[in-house]
Amino acid sequence: DVKVTQSSRYLVKRTGEKVFLECVQDMDHENMFWYRQDPGLGLRLIYFSYDVKMKEKGDIPEGYSVSREKKERFSLILESASTNQTSMYLCASRVGGETQYFGPGTRLLVL
Amino acid sequence: DQQVKQNSPSLSVQEGRISILNCDYTNSMFDYFLWYKKYPAEGPTFLISISSIKDKNEDGRFTVFLNKSAKHLSLHIVPSQPGDSAVYFCAASADDNNDMRFGAGTRLTVKP
Repeated sequence: DVKVTQSSRYLVKRTGEKVFLECVQDMDHENMFWYRQDPGLGLRLIYFSYDVKMKEKGDIPEGYSVSREKKERFSLILESASTNQTSMYLCASRVGGETQYFGPGTRLLVL
Repeated sequence: DQQVKQNSPSLSVQEGRISILNCDYTNSMFDYFLWYKKYPAEGPTFLISISSIKDKNEDGRFTVFLNKSAKHLSLHIVPSQPGDSAVYFCAASADDNNDMRFGAGTRLTVKP
């Protein structure tokens, strides 16, 4: 079974803080993704990575950055958290043309 | 610009009856479509998919229909069970790329 884990299920941060969300997959997948899920908007792609040290912007990259130093780990960074970044963050991975496997999500609240 | 639209935010169905969830898309380049199911406090899990060369794909109680001319797909669940109560996301991608687009989701409630 593919396993995608995320470092935190719930996180509360203050405006202006730097926030790190970690994602690890154990199936040697090349492709990893970060989405945010908001009511009425579904899942929106923030960034994805198709290989170590490679990254591509998704639909809403502003205010975020990512890091992929190892194949199994993909980190999402909020350089200076703002209240409009309060959301559910979902990490996913996949290999080739197969479906994406999602982690359980991190619910982030920025005060 | 939502390229994948699920216009019904919620749907309520009696146990044993059919659930029909709908999805429309605007990008004619999409050639692969998926449905994901999401329970609260969990990540979405893959349910069923269909490629544009087919117009129907069936897996047990779940069937996905694709109407390319109408740019419309639907998920049929029959018979519906209370355990099917979840949020269902429709997703689409083009040419096996990584830019998968998701709809806003439909919350299905199956009443016993």
